[in-house]
Amino acid sequence: DQQVKQNSPSLSVQEGRISILNCDYTNSMFDYFLWYKKYPAEGPTFLISISSIKDKNEDGRFTVFLNKSAKHLSLHIVPSQPGDSAVYFCAASPYMEYGNKLVFGAGTILRVKS
Amino acid sequence: DADVTQTPRNRITKTGKRIMLECSQTKGHDRMYWYRQDPGLGLRLIYYSFDVKDINKGEISDGYSVSRQAQAKFSLSLESAIPNQTALYFCATSDGGGYEQYFGPGTRLTVT
Repeated sequence: DQQVKQNSPSLSVQEGRISILNCDYTNSMFDYFLWYKKYPAEGPTFLISISSIKDKNEDGRFTVFLNKSAKHLSLHIVPSQPGDSAVYFCAASPYMEYGNKLVFGAGTILRVKS
Repeated sequence: DADVTQTPRNRITKTGKRIMLECSQTKGHDRMYWYRQDPGLGLRLIYYSFDVKDINKGEISDGYSVSRQAQAKFSLSLESAIPNQTALYFCATSDGGGYEQYFGPGTRLTVT
């Protein structure tokens, strides 16, 4: 039973437009959320995170929104660039659990067309 | 030089063979992790270690074992490889103060 779900396997967006990647979770103990980006033949790299005490976190072109009541988070990329084409993983962790274990979603492949 | 390195990067082996994947890090982190990635399933945790004397099973540890030889080294072994262990394997590290994990480049393992 997947506790972190990314229901869209892929997303295609035109350069300059907004990309919105979605993630749902089922475990109410999750209290910290991260987005990772992965290029082919490389390991995932950290992109942006948010804790449950916030509903929004912004870093340049990347913004993550958290809706705790809906157990839903989203990553917005504005404007999208061809270099953003990658696999994006959503991950979650229970707050203060010893060890910082992360539970990952299946990933969404983003293609930004120029 | 990369902070987290994995060897080998690619490996093809036969069913029943023992194989070891190695991970080294220069980040000085105490915590290390092994994941496998399968299409449609994301990254799943195999084993994790919070220090040299601490080893814990993850979500999918059956068929795998690990060894933490030093703070900087964490190896994953498949005692008797089987085809459904064909996957992309990642090592990761983290410090004790945050949630972010730093990943190696991965090892693509094929079991025939």
